[in-house]
Amino acid sequence: AQSVTQLGSHVSVSEGALVLLRCNYSSSVPPYLFWYVQYPNQGLQLLLKYTSAATLVKGINGFEAEFKKSETSFHLTKPSAHMSDAAEYFCAVNSGGSNYKLTFGKGTLLTVNP
Amino acid sequence: GAGVSQSPSNKVTEKGKDVELRCDPISGHTALYWYRQRLGQGLEFLIYFQGNSAPDKSGLPSDRFSAERTGESVSTLTIQRTQQEDSAVYLCASSSDSTRREQYFGPGTRLTVT
Repeated sequence: AQSVTQLGSHVSVSEGALVLLRCNYSSSVPPYLFWYVQYPNQGLQLLLKYTSAATLVKGINGFEAEFKKSETSFHLTKPSAHMSDAAEYFCAVNSGGSNYKLTFGKGTLLTVNP
Repeated sequence: GAGVSQSPSNKVTEKGKDVELRCDPISGHTALYWYRQRLGQGLEFLIYFQGNSAPDKSGLPSDRFSAERTGESVSTLTIQRTQQEDSAVYLCASSSDSTRREQYFGPGTRLTVT
């Protein structure tokens, strides 16, 4: 079985500050991990993915995430927040094999203050 | 190219009525997924189609929910005898053979059951 826990349903940062969104996963096999972003009234957009290559993954819009197996974590970071980063962020896991369905966390709403 | 499209974008229905939600995947994508997003929640997997294989229906919450897919194109999610707890955003995603674990999402259908 696979599961995802996102710590903090709401994170608020100032413009220009570091963004850190936390994600911990549970998987019985080496996982594939994803971060998606959802802007209001829109579908989900893939930010980045980990597929067992480099543990530090760079995505779009300046975001990156580091896979830490010992901590079962895949936290999302961005050095300097922009107002346009305000959105909901979802971490998701797929445990490989022949089924590609994703298990999602409950999401973290990011607010960026001017 | 064109992304995943869904229709209608919004649907309001009375309790007890049947509804059909449509998804047009990205052309050439062999895999198609339906997810449900309830207010303030993450995405729940509903059903997964992969080519001509039997669909994975393990996420369907009750026998009132069903889905069909015509070949590798359009899919329809049907909810019979709708209940208020069915109110949610229904998201469709598709993926290709080459990048199966990378899912592309549509904008969703917001279903409100009154």
